Amino acid sequence: AQSVTQLDSHVSVSEGTPVLLRCNYSSSYSPSLFWYVQHPNKGLQLLLKYTSAATLVKGINGFEAEFKKSETSFHLTKPSAHMSDAAEYFCVVSPQHTGGFKTIFGAGTRLFVKA
Amino acid sequence: NAGVTQTPKFRVLKTGQSMTLLCAQDMNHEYMYWYRQDPGMGLRLIHYSVGEGTTAKGEVPDGYNVSRLKKQNFLLGLESAAPSQTSVYFCATRQGENGYTFGSGTRLTVV
Repeated sequence: AQSVTQLDSHVSVSEGTPVLLRCNYSSSYSPSLFWYVQHPNKGLQLLLKYTSAATLVKGINGFEAEFKKSETSFHLTKPSAHMSDAAEYFCVVSPQHTGGFKTIFGAGTRLFVKA
Repeated sequence: NAGVTQTPKFRVLKTGQSMTLLCAQDMNHEYMYWYRQDPGMGLRLIHYSVGEGTTAKGEVPDGYNVSRLKKQNFLLGLESAAPSQTSVYFCATRQGENGYTFGSGTRLTVV
């Protein structure tokens, strides 16, 4: 069975400070892990993905995430928040080679960025 | 390159009415999916297709039907709309183990 837990429903940071969005997962299969971002009234955009290569994954817009198997975590970070980062972020676990129908989306973390 | 296009973007239905949501992709992806997004619940899979002419049920299929007669199109139908189907609907495509490509969504209200 698969599950994904985003540990914070809301995170608020000041512009220029670091961002940490936390995600824990469980999977009976070798998982692919993704982070997506959704701006208001928009579709979801892929930020980065882990598919069993390097454990530190770099994505777009300065985001990165580290896959830690021992902690079953895939936290998303960014060194310095920008106002344009304000959005909702989804952690996604997808067992490999299953066609995507076992993919699980987290409930989302809304990121607020204060000026 | 349009990617994934969903029509319509907004719709208001009365209870009991029917409608079809269209998803069109130009990326030649095999897999296509319909999700619904409700506050605090992430995305839930309604139906999916692993290729032209194939469809399968996802996590929340009741009240919906789908068809994929052409590889590039995936249709989601509501035969008799209910207020519980008020949601934002997203179509997505995928190729292999790459990430999903999402459409911009359809906001449906059933009154």
